[in-house]
Amino acid sequence: DAKTTQPTSMDCAEGRAANLPCNHSTISGNEYVYWYRQIHSQGPQYIIHGLKNNETNEMASLIITEDRKSSTLILPHATLRDTAVYYCIVRSQGTGGFKTIFGAGTRLFVKA
Amino acid sequence: ETGVTQSPTHLIKTRGQQVTLRCSSQSGHNTVSWYQQALGQGPQFIFQYYREEENGRGNFPPRFSGLQFPNYSSELNVNALELDDSALYLCASSPGQKGETQYFGPGTRLLVL
Repeated sequence: DAKTTQPTSMDCAEGRAANLPCNHSTISGNEYVYWYRQIHSQGPQYIIHGLKNNETNEMASLIITEDRKSSTLILPHATLRDTAVYYCIVRSQGTGGFKTIFGAGTRLFVKA
Repeated sequence: ETGVTQSPTHLIKTRGQQVTLRCSSQSGHNTVSWYQQALGQGPQFIFQYYREEENGRGNFPPRFSGLQFPNYSSELNVNALELDDSALYLCASSPGQKGETQYFGPGTRLLVL
């Protein structure tokens, strides 16, 4: 199963860009990288996903390195409401079927 | 709001009992996944169902079982509850067989005494 590694926590000043890194060195060629976030004890919220190319939507941008072994989620103008745990996920398909493996995530603190 | 609903919101059981948790998927979604999230940890994948068949399972014992119904709603059943089963149980629905982009419900918080 592909696994991901993220820093435990990060701080960001309100209004500044938040750059959250993720290492996924065992990713396979057809596996997508997904990012979710979880605020308090709510259900995780989908943010963005990508395969090879950089992606952007209304919430964030995703930068994937050329070798696909790591990626960075960018929140361009962080607000206090972006304080949450951010999860980088690589879904895998093996003999046991489809699996989604969450790590411990990065706890982002956005400070005024 | 993702359109995924779960019931009940909270539940208290005692060790050895059985519990059934329910999930209603977002309209048009035929894949559902269940997760267990202990306090302070990331969600742990339990299993995934596509069109009423299990098509993925994590490292959980057989006393964790599930069902998906023709309307794509789902149940998670846990038998012989243990204290360590106390957690937030999350359901997520997605539109395709592979269940890539998932939309999570608010969860059911289970406390086992």
